[in-house]
Amino acid sequence: GQNIDQPTEMTATEGAIVQINCTYQTSGFNGLFWYQQHAGEAPTFLSYNVLDGLEEKGRFSSFLSRSKGYSYLLLKELQMKDSASYLCAVRGYSGYSTLTFGKGTMLLVSP
Amino acid sequence: EPEVTQTPSHQVTQMGQEVILRCVPISNHLYFYWYRQILGQKVEFLVSFYNNEISEKSEIFDDQFSVERPDGSNFTLKIRSTKLEDSAMYFCASSEAQGTERRHFGDGTRLSIL
Repeated sequence: GQNIDQPTEMTATEGAIVQINCTYQTSGFNGLFWYQQHAGEAPTFLSYNVLDGLEEKGRFSSFLSRSKGYSYLLLKELQMKDSASYLCAVRGYSGYSTLTFGKGTMLLVSP
Repeated sequence: EPEVTQTPSHQVTQMGQEVILRCVPISNHLYFYWYRQILGQKVEFLVSFYNNEISEKSEIFDDQFSVERPDGSNFTLKIRSTKLEDSAMYFCASSEAQGTERRHFGDGTRLSIL
């Protein structure tokens, strides 16, 4: 089976750095994705990791440790518009198309 | 940037009725997907479609569901006899290739079953 855990909610201040963790137990591993979802909107792609290490893309970075079944999304220089739900999703061996999503972490950025 | 478009944005249907949700994927994409998100819950994979046939489907995608690509641009999800628990946001997505990390999601159709 697939199990993905993320904190339900986090709060942070504008300009700060926040790290959103994701742990997973899946039947096989073939990539981990982070998506951003604003309320009432579609998920938008942020990052993809399949090998261990850090992937940096502007203010957003994502880290993966396959041996620990662990990933984090790092957001720097937080802006108010970063307030959203952040979804961790894993692709296992059940199918190359199938993504299993976590419940998402609701991030609230305050002034 | 090209977009995935979905219609309608909101569909209200009586329980037991058939409903068809429509999607226009990005034109050069080859892989199409349906996901759903029940209010307050996680996004769930339903089905993927390639080369005019289903490539993968989840346990949720039972005999009440079907997908079709009736022409060169549209991709539809049909629910044959809707149930109250089918009420959810349904997202269509497309990608250039199966393994590509970036899936482009549409804005979704909110399906409300009465």
